[in-house]
Amino acid sequence: GENVEQHPSTLSVQEGDSAVIKCTYSDSASNYFPWYKQELGKRPQLIIDIRSNVGEKKDQRIAVTLNKTAKHFSLHITETQPEDSAVYFCAASAGGSYIPTFGRGTSLIVHP
Amino acid sequence: GAVVSQHPSRVICKSGTSVKIECRSLDFQATTMFWYRQFPKKSLMLMATSNEGSKATYEQGVEKDKFLINHASLTLSTLTVTSAHPEDSSFYICSARSPSGTQETQYFGPGTRLLVL
Repeated sequence: GENVEQHPSTLSVQEGDSAVIKCTYSDSASNYFPWYKQELGKRPQLIIDIRSNVGEKKDQRIAVTLNKTAKHFSLHITETQPEDSAVYFCAASAGGSYIPTFGRGTSLIVHP
Repeated sequence: GAVVSQHPSRVICKSGTSVKIECRSLDFQATTMFWYRQFPKKSLMLMATSNEGSKATYEQGVEKDKFLINHASLTLSTLTVTSAHPEDSSFYICSARSPSGTQETQYFGPGTRLLVL
């Protein structure tokens, strides 16, 4: 089955700095990679996703890059704000069932 | 957008009792729903995939007689934790796929925090 590794487990940055979270996956058949943001005690919310037919996708301050050859993908947040503080999960899934395997999560702390 | 609700949001029960958690898709029909368990500061662990009108598919290591899942309609799936014990205390989250979104997109419920005394 799929195995998703996520790093770092904790990331602390100053407001305005950039934050990068990296994930690797094992199943070359995976072709859909969503990122979720989960605030304390709340539901995970999809913030951005990428499919294997593109290498990069951007939405305002958030971008995701995908390297299929190396089987890794990353989340980039620029100009971080305190409200970006949350746990971020990456996931990978393959066509057909599209049941995602989640990474362990990264706790992002943005200091004002 | 697609909205998924869960009830109750929080439940405290005595050891040995059963607890039922409901997951509803409010504005769409969900043929497939998922149940996850999340421990504090840990990732989402998929417990089972629930398909309307058929038996749930459980992940390896998840006791199907312990965690009963029923998906009786296109808008409702239930998870019953039978004979709950303190080690079952956790955050349980459901999710559903909306047919209006992409095939892969999942929408999560707000979660149910279970505490077994």
